Amino acid sequence: AQSVSQHNHHVILSEAASLELGCNYSYGGTVNLFWYVQYPGQHLQLLLKYFSGDPLVKGIKGFEAEFIKSKFSFNLRKPSVQWSDTAEYFCPRMNTGFQKLVFGTGTRLLVSP
Amino acid sequence: DAGVIQSPRHEVTEMGQEVTLRCKPISGHNSLFWYRQTMMRGLELLIYFNNNVPIDDSGMPEDRFSAKMPNASFSTLKIQPSEPRDSAVYFCASSRQDRSGYEQYFGPGTRLTVT
Repeated sequence: AQSVSQHNHHVILSEAASLELGCNYSYGGTVNLFWYVQYPGQHLQLLLKYFSGDPLVKGIKGFEAEFIKSKFSFNLRKPSVQWSDTAEYFCPRMNTGFQKLVFGTGTRLLVSP
Repeated sequence: DAGVIQSPRHEVTEMGQEVTLRCKPISGHNSLFWYRQTMMRGLELLIYFNNNVPIDDSGMPEDRFSAKMPNASFSTLKIQPSEPRDSAVYFCASSRQDRSGYEQYFGPGTRLTVT
């Protein structure tokens, strides 16, 4: 089955530290990948998406992600995090031929001031 | 753009009662999704509709759950009878079937507590 793995369930960083959150997906046809963020008590918001083209994708709030096909990865990066980046991050994939998003377990990021 | 609208935002009910959650998708979107989020199971897709037609309901936990989309601007998720294990945040999301997008826009969620 097509799936997504987020290996880091909890990440704690200090402000200004660099961030990289891992996301790996299982092999299976055309891959559409997303990163969503969920701030405490809020709904999910789209950070960025990859469908095709340039594998380095720039998103909102200074986030970027790189699609590395050979590694089946789509890691999220930010050079310098802020306290306001404290949230849960999800990297769902879209199944080939469907509109369903398949979610991983998510990564909770805590940024200490 | 008002975004996806869900009501109520919070619902507290007793076990055995019927619960109805409501969702208004973004105008012009033709796909609608219902998700459930819990600490134990994370985000789960319950059901989704395309052009008001249910496409995949394999995530619906059991017969106590039902969903309808009578028109393009309204959907309901009903639980009857409710049980304490149904306590969760229920999100509705909508998207436009468009090669430039497919991203889903999520509503604020309904926090359901069944006592």
